[in-house]
Amino acid sequence: ILNVEQSPQSLHVQEGDSTNFTCSFPSSNFYALHWYRWETAKSPEALFVMTLNGDEKKKGRISATLNTKEGYSYLYIKGSQPEDSATYLCASRQGDSGGGADGLTFGKGTHLIIQP
Amino acid sequence: DAGVTQSPTHLIKTRGQQVTLRCSPKSGHDTVSWYQQALGQGPQFIFQYYEEEERQRGNFPDRFSGHQFPNYSSELNVNALLLGDSALYLCASSLGLHIAGQPQHFGDGTRLSIL
Repeated sequence: ILNVEQSPQSLHVQEGDSTNFTCSFPSSNFYALHWYRWETAKSPEALFVMTLNGDEKKKGRISATLNTKEGYSYLYIKGSQPEDSATYLCASRQGDSGGGADGLTFGKGTHLIIQP
Repeated sequence: DAGVTQSPTHLIKTRGQQVTLRCSPKSGHDTVSWYQQALGQGPQFIFQYYEEEERQRGNFPDRFSGHQFPNYSSELNVNALLLGDSALYLCASSLGLHIAGQPQHFGDGTRLSIL
């Protein structure tokens, strides 16, 4: 059974501050690492999909890094705004024996609250 | 451009009954995955459909079955419902079965409550 772990479980951050959180995943048979943002009463929204060791992706004030050898990814938010309040989910995808890949294995998420 | 749509939004069933949930993928997508999210947990992968066949399956019993139609829409069926099946069921679509860099696009989910 694969384990994808996210920390911290929840985080309160002052508006304007920067923050980061962690996703750890199995490094064996790595295929892809996904990050999603899930706001209350909405559907999960894809932020990044990373496939190569050392990948860095950026979308506005949000960025992510990937280390497939040690099995971790960081998500960074610069200058937090109230609209950044959401649950941030990471999900790992592992390769299967047939050259394809398994479905996504999600962590439990980091619940981020930005305080004005 | 319609995104992923799921129906119904909410559903209440009793133990032992059967339920069918429906999903229409985002326009242009051909792969559909289903997830179950129980309270306090991350979404758990149930199965994935591509070209009308189940291609991958997570750790769920045979009571969970599915179908994909020629127009790429999909159904999730659950038989002999248990109290533990109460959860949010999410459908996600993507393009291509094994394209590593493709994100999944999620619907709003169906909230299933078992009494």
